[in-house]
Amino acid sequence: AQSVTQLDSQVPVFEEAPVELRCNYSSSVSVYLFWYVQYPNQGLQLLLKYLSGSTLVKGINGFEAEFNKSQTSFHLRKPSVHISDTAEYFCAVSDRDSSYKLIFGSGTRLLVRP
Amino acid sequence: GAGVSQSPSNKVTEKGKDVELRCDPISGHTALYWYRQSLGQGLEFLIYFQGNSAPDKSGLPSDRFSAERTGGSVSTLTIQRTQQEDSAVYLCATGLGSSYNSPLHFGNGTRLTVT
Repeated sequence: AQSVTQLDSQVPVFEEAPVELRCNYSSSVSVYLFWYVQYPNQGLQLLLKYLSGSTLVKGINGFEAEFNKSQTSFHLRKPSVHISDTAEYFCAVSDRDSSYKLIFGSGTRLLVRP
Repeated sequence: GAGVSQSPSNKVTEKGKDVELRCDPISGHTALYWYRQSLGQGLEFLIYFQGNSAPDKSGLPSDRFSAERTGGSVSTLTIQRTQQEDSAVYLCATGLGSSYNSPLHFGNGTRLTVT
């Protein structure tokens, strides 16, 4: 069965600094990978996804993520964060063997300070 | 158009009582998920409905939890004999098809408090 590990429960960072949120997955077959974001007092929304092709995927609000099959990782990055990026970020995985059900990690709270 | 609607938005119940949580999906969405969100626990998968296929119930934590989806539309999550550890936000999410070709749309959740 697939699983997702987000090792960092909280990442504090200063405004305009770069950030990387880590995500590692476990699956025995080809996977689809996602990042969802939950802004304060809002529902979750899709940030970006990797299905196939280029391993570097770009999402909304200047975020990008890189799929690394050998390291089973899908880390999320942004070169310069804003206060408005403060939110909870969830990595998720699905695969064919699990009928594409979406399994989420425990989340990483990004806290951007001025 | 309307998004995923969940009701009630808040529910306070006494330990041992049964509760029913409702999810109205976006029209035409064949995939429907229930997740539980607890502080520090992230999004815990509970159950997954996809079209007319048998639901994937592998995430239900105990036999006190059950869910049904009538006519491929509205879904109800039932928790029997509630316990304090059931306190959490219960999220419903729906999608047009499989997760890889259609993003999930989340409801605002039902916050369940068991006293």
